[in-house]
Amino acid sequence: GAGVSQSPSNKVTEKGKDVELRCDPISGHTALYWYRQSLGQGLEFLIYFQGNSAPDKSGLPSDRFSAERTGGSVSTLTIQRTQQEDSAVYLCASSFAGTTGLLSTDTQYFGPGTRLTVL
Amino acid sequence: AQSVTQPDIHITVSEGASLELRCNYSYGATPYLFWYVQSPGQGLQLLLKYFSGDTLVQGIKGFEAEFKRSQSSFNLRKPSVHWSDAAEYFCAVGRANNLFFGTGTRLTVIP
Repeated sequence: GAGVSQSPSNKVTEKGKDVELRCDPISGHTALYWYRQSLGQGLEFLIYFQGNSAPDKSGLPSDRFSAERTGGSVSTLTIQRTQQEDSAVYLCASSFAGTTGLLSTDTQYFGPGTRLTVL
Repeated sequence: AQSVTQPDIHITVSEGASLELRCNYSYGATPYLFWYVQSPGQGLQLLLKYFSGDTLVQGIKGFEAEFKRSQSSFNLRKPSVHWSDAAEYFCAVGRANNLFFGTGTRLTVIP
């Protein structure tokens, strides 16, 4: 079946503009994650959604970052008033919460990412 | 706090040679450990994972990893590297609802 898809694949924007990044998870997956991968850095957790529970926003670096997940499926990551340090690859992943109830034991399936460049 | 260290930023091996990528973790309880691979222009793909049981874990593409609690390590190995293995490799620790990734090791394979 289809994997995780993300759009756009590349986004170039000017400093101060708002951007929206989209993630379509695998159908039936209840958990959805956003990560940021900066040059030379590992993946940095941003936010995750699980079913109808309140999202875990503990990784969001500032209040300029927000995300929503509509209908338990598609998610949008919004960055307001972008800064040059926001330039990175933004990765989305989804997983099916298994019987353990611990989402970290479930295999996360990653999308190809959105490369954001802030000029 | 939990953390993952991949001490080698870049490794170069000859095709056909053996490979070992190092991963050390810092975590108080029994960790859930993962290795992911990121090929150029592609998303991350899970190679293998360890939760419990046999400390030698077999994964896809001929990779294996060994969990050594005494050394807090989860090193990835492959007996004979193929040119298509050139990629970035990430070790990760899972805890609660999150994955914590290392900074990655870039593998170059030379003919």
